[in-house]
Amino acid sequence: GESVGLHLPTLSVQEGDNSIINCAYSNSASDYFIWYKQESGKGPQFIIDIRSNMDKRQGQRVTVLLNKTVKHLSLQIAATQPGDSAVYFCAETLTGTASKLTFGTGTRLQVTL
Amino acid sequence: NAGVTQTPKFRVLKTGQSMTLLCAQDMNHEYMYWYRQDPGMGLRLIHYSVGEGTTAKGEVPDGYNVSRLKKQNFLLGLESAAPSQTSVYFCASRTETSRTGELFFGEGSRLTVL
Repeated sequence: GESVGLHLPTLSVQEGDNSIINCAYSNSASDYFIWYKQESGKGPQFIIDIRSNMDKRQGQRVTVLLNKTVKHLSLQIAATQPGDSAVYFCAETLTGTASKLTFGTGTRLQVTL
Repeated sequence: NAGVTQTPKFRVLKTGQSMTLLCAQDMNHEYMYWYRQDPGMGLRLIHYSVGEGTTAKGEVPDGYNVSRLKKQNFLLGLESAAPSQTSVYFCASRTETSRTGELFFGEGSRLTVL
């Protein structure tokens, strides 16, 4: 079933191209940031994280960039595949607060063939 | 392992009725959370628990109660349902030794209050 709403910003990308999803976070005290992927009808799934003492972290086909000066986070997906189609959420937290995550509103990624 | 299991997956209630959502995890995780997801608002934390017998309020706790009598279960109760509680509810869990932000989510429970 549908798990997110109708008014999400949408990014359309051709298969094979790189995707960049952006997020502005709200709390300047947050020191830990995460990206989640949510496929239709499923719960969010952890992708990658980054601590505030870093500005870049790479995973498999994904890279997260953090700019604390402007409170901006981005997720880069290399060689986007149809299976990457989903809603992507950024989240923030402060370590030592029992991992209480504050989520952004999400971006829908549509991969076209 | 089943991971995080939520029951029921769908429920329709009338205003004023009560119900309980059950979350069960088989990963021996210490932390458990209940979130709600509404269109255009991301996920918002309702209540959470840092261990058996403990609960704490999140961002939007009003109208909900929770209990964590057993480590593997986290129950979310609505005593008197309101249309504003129509939402998709997600349970999540985490172990102390995992990455700080790595929560494991269930597949959600869609609740409609008429």
